[in-house]
This record gives sequence, C-alpha cells and structure tokens, in this order.
Amino acid sequence: AQSVAQPEDQVNVAEGNPLTVKCTYSVSGNPYLFWYVQYPNRGLQFLLKYITGDNLVKGSYGFEAEFNKSQTSFHLKKPSALVSDSALYFCAVRDHHTGGFKTIFGAGTRLFVKA
Amino acid sequence: DVKVTQSSRYLVKRTGEKVFLECVQDMDHENMFWYRQDPGLGLRLIYFSYDVKMKEKGDIPEGYSVSREKKERFSLILESASTNQTSMYLCASSPLRTLDTGELFFGEGSRLTVL
Repeated sequence: AQSVAQPEDQVNVAEGNPLTVKCTYSVSGNPYLFWYVQYPNRGLQFLLKYITGDNLVKGSYGFEAEFNKSQTSFHLKKPSALVSDSALYFCAVRDHHTGGFKTIFGAGTRLFVKA
Repeated sequence: DVKVTQSSRYLVKRTGEKVFLECVQDMDHENMFWYRQDPGLGLRLIYFSYDVKMKEKGDIPEGYSVSREKKERFSLILESASTNQTSMYLCASSPLRTLDTGELFFGEGSRLTVL
C-alpha cells in the first residue's frame, strides 16, 4: 500500500534560519509527490510537486523540495524562514493504483517560526 | 483562479440529525473529493467522484453518503450525525486528464460539531 510519513509533529525555527520539513514515502512505481500548506482555519493550498525530472523542485513562497529516490524522501526546504511561514504542512503522494484518483496525505507537520 | 466553495464554514448539529455539506467548483473539473481532517491523522478520503452521478468510496465511507447531480456540485451527507463525526471537512477538485499529475484545489473547509 502506498503511504506517506511525516516523522515530526512540529518543527521550530528562528526567523532567517533555513528550515526543513521531512517526508518519506512508500509507493510502487514512480511517485507523484506533493506539498500543501494550511494556514489557520483555511483549506489546503498547493505548494509544489515532483513528477519527473530535476530532483530539486521549486514552488510557491520561496519553498523548494528535494526528491531522493534512494532514501524515498521528499523534504521541504526554505533557505530563510519567515514568521508568516508558520502553518501546517502536508506531504502527499498520488495513488496510481486507483487510476491516479486518490491522493494520500501524511499526518502533517506544524511549523513555528519565531521572530 | 480555481475556486472551490463550501457552503458552510461552521456548523453545530445534534446527534441523529441529517447534515448536508455542499461544495461547488467553478473550473469544470471532473474529479471531486471529500476529506475529513483530524489532528494527528492528516486528511482521510471519505468519497470521491470522477463524473456526474458517479461515486467511489474512499478510505472511511461509513456513516456518509454523497451526491453528484451536476458536474460543479458535490454534496456530502451525514444521514444520522454522531459525535465521532465532529471534524473539519474539506472538499477538493481536480481536472481529469490522461496521465493527470495535477494538484488538488481545496475549499476553505467546513468545521462540523455534533453535540
């Protein structure tokens, strides 16, 4: 079965420091991987995706993610965190076995950026 | 921009009541989804639909039903609400294309409390 794991419930970082939010996945075949962000009392917003090609994917708001096939990881990164980045972040994988209809989400990681 | 609109942001219902959650999208997307979000569990798929009048069970369909009479509208129905259905409900849509790898577009969410 395809699955996504986010090993950290919470990540704390000081403003201006680099941030990393971790994600590992388990899929059969080539993964379609996504990151979404959720601000308080809002729906999820798409940040970036990896389908194929360059292992470093750039997305919205200065975020990027690195696909590592050997480690089955897709960590979210940002060189310099902002207080406004504080939110809940979800890693997700598209399930090919259902014709690509299902997206499986991790449990989420809450990011706190302190001024 | 794609807009997914959920009719109610906050609802309070009593045990045993019938509850309707409505979702409308304006981008002619074929796929529509209902997820529930609970702390520590991430998003779990309740039902999805890839066409009008078509529906498929997700991972946690028990206690729920759905209706898709028009392409733009996807309704989630709780026939007899129970306290364990207190949750945040998120509607999402995506286009259907061959080899679609696209992201989901989410509504703002409906927070349901069942007393």
